[in-house]
Amino acid sequence: ILNVEQSPQSLHVQEGDSTNFTCSFPSSNFYALHWYRWETAKSPEALFVMTLNGDEKKKGRISATLNTKEGYSYLYIKGSQPEDSATYLCASRNFGNEKLTFGTGTRLTIIP
Amino acid sequence: DADVTQTPRNRITKTGKRIMLECSQTKGHDRMYWYRQDPGLGLRLIYYSFDVKDINKGEISDGYSVSRQAQAKFSLSLESAIPNQTALYFCATSGGGTQETQYFGPGTRLLVL
Repeated sequence: ILNVEQSPQSLHVQEGDSTNFTCSFPSSNFYALHWYRWETAKSPEALFVMTLNGDEKKKGRISATLNTKEGYSYLYIKGSQPEDSATYLCASRNFGNEKLTFGTGTRLTIIP
Repeated sequence: DADVTQTPRNRITKTGKRIMLECSQTKGHDRMYWYRQDPGLGLRLIYYSFDVKDINKGEISDGYSVSRQAQAKFSLSLESAIPNQTALYFCATSGGGTQETQYFGPGTRLLVL
């Protein structure tokens, strides 16, 4: 994988259901994987930065896992609420490269 | 008050005009970035700066220039705007280090007619 890819592109989830989506990134020379939450008309806001294979991070009902060997990360949302509606962006960074490469995002809509 | 501010928030301009987008931050970060976001594409890096004397091109720098006037200020200029520069522009800052979270401004929506 040369680019950062996210799937699905968009997702509609019933309020109260749990959901997850995927970020795939180049596994060679991996340095860090970032997750951001971007609500319409607001700034993207950092959720997690993950660096270690097998790492799992949690913030409230949102959690993320990281597999650096195969180059993927999952973001999980438990018991979705309307305020979870947003676009979720991931970005990866490689060793020797100071820049982040962003995926196109997963647009999540929670249906009340 | 917001840590990263951008002005203007919205701008309509005509082809060929020079336009400047400004970014200011109160986080005390050395690193600042300009990105553009287009529908269906990820955030793409235009330019970045790691301190006042440092300017680096990103992946889509053609047609743009930047100025790092001070640690807290990083401006993006379109010397001669063209319609395909219509986009949402974000400024971001970071403090460096392993975690290096980037903090984004609210964005500037630019329309070039």
